[in-house]
Amino acid sequence: GQNIDQPTEMTATEGAIVQINCTYQTSGFNGLFWYQQHAGEAPTFLSYNVLDGLEEKGRFSSFLSRSKGYSYLLLKELQMKDSASYLCAVNRDDKIIFGKGTRLHILP
Amino acid sequence: GAGVSQSPSNKVTEKGKDVELRCDPISGHTALYWYRQSLGQGLEFLIYFQGNSAPDKSGLPSDRFSAERTGGSVSTLTIQRTQQEDSAVYLCASNLLFTGAEAFFGQGTRLTVV
Repeated sequence: GQNIDQPTEMTATEGAIVQINCTYQTSGFNGLFWYQQHAGEAPTFLSYNVLDGLEEKGRFSSFLSRSKGYSYLLLKELQMKDSASYLCAVNRDDKIIFGKGTRLHILP
Repeated sequence: GAGVSQSPSNKVTEKGKDVELRCDPISGHTALYWYRQSLGQGLEFLIYFQGNSAPDKSGLPSDRFSAERTGGSVSTLTIQRTQQEDSAVYLCASNLLFTGAEAFFGQGTRLTVV
């Protein structure tokens, strides 16, 4: 996905915390999105970061470091319904380019 | 409409036939994207329409693929002489034309080439 890298799969336990990392090429960067996609469904928006720092939204937080070309999505108090793919996407020259996604498995 | 609408939801076609996939974006959204998603894979960018500007076609995989957007609204993705490797879910998304605008996705068209 045009040099947007994230782990292919992760596994975590219900109630725990998980951090999904994303690194990207910084050329033309205008901001970074995280989307959630359940199997067989369309992606849905989780967060958008354009400035450095942490954005918190309930159980989900997203962090951005522009200089390092790095972001992470932090999911707290994991629930079984959080089992899904998490897609990192970069706004590059005003078009949205996605990474390959991270499949998150939640164990009871 | 209330959301992005795509049709058909499923399409099975024979190898070598042409197919047309339709996307109705959210009313007022000036930007429209097409992506392709193979089973278990991420979203592959295909084409981006941005207001009245020329579309960004840099993601189209071959000259068998084309797309148009009429009147700044409905878009059609056409695949000519379909091949088995074209089998995938084709997703359309739209958003308002400003940096950071959330893209809303349709439910996709699942294309199977047999």
